Amino acid sequence: KNEVEQSPQNLTAQEGEFITINCSYSVGISALHWLQQHPGGGIVSLFMLSSGKKKHGRLIATINIQEKHSSLHITASHPRDSAVYICAAATGNQFYFGTGTSLTVIP
Amino acid sequence: DAGVIQSPRHEVTEMGQEVTLRCKPISGHNSLFWYRQTMMRGLELLIYFNNNVPIDDSGMPEDRFSAKMPNASFSTLKIQPSEPRDSAVYFCASTPAVTRRSYGYTFGSGTRLTVV
Repeated sequence: KNEVEQSPQNLTAQEGEFITINCSYSVGISALHWLQQHPGGGIVSLFMLSSGKKKHGRLIATINIQEKHSSLHITASHPRDSAVYICAAATGNQFYFGTGTSLTVIP
Repeated sequence: DAGVIQSPRHEVTEMGQEVTLRCKPISGHNSLFWYRQTMMRGLELLIYFNNNVPIDDSGMPEDRFSAKMPNASFSTLKIQPSEPRDSAVYFCASTPAVTRRSYGYTFGSGTRLTVV
């Protein structure tokens, strides 16, 4: 069993749609990370959160510590949002990564 | 700031050869991480340093892998001898302080290693 589960695995959306990617984890965490990997391979750290909600532009990340669940939302999606989104649970010295959600936004 | 700088961007080597990957973290960042990404296993943390000291190397797959951070501005990941199954993209990332939860991570562009 994976310590971090993401869903969906693949997602195709029309430009402008509201997108939600989910992450569930089974370990106690010190922080939960959302990463974005572009088609070229580069990785960008989007959020690191341990409680509540964070917002950056059209991206919103939420976490429910009791339910061990986090969501990444993208409002007004755009083709440039097409990427793989990876959830990672940090527990002290360990990092557990989800397998990623591949998002394609169609114009 | 130029960000986290990794070199080389691509490396092709023959099985059995020694491979050295390099990383320059962002100036002032106290923590440095090495990750490996493969299609089969996804993204894995190999090792991380805090103030140049290795904190956790439990992710290092075998004794063939070693990592050093001789100073705050440079780290290496060495594989000797390399094997085809080591083929992957290796990422380096740095953060101001691993214990400060409000900070995110900055990733390098990665080194794509192919062992033939």
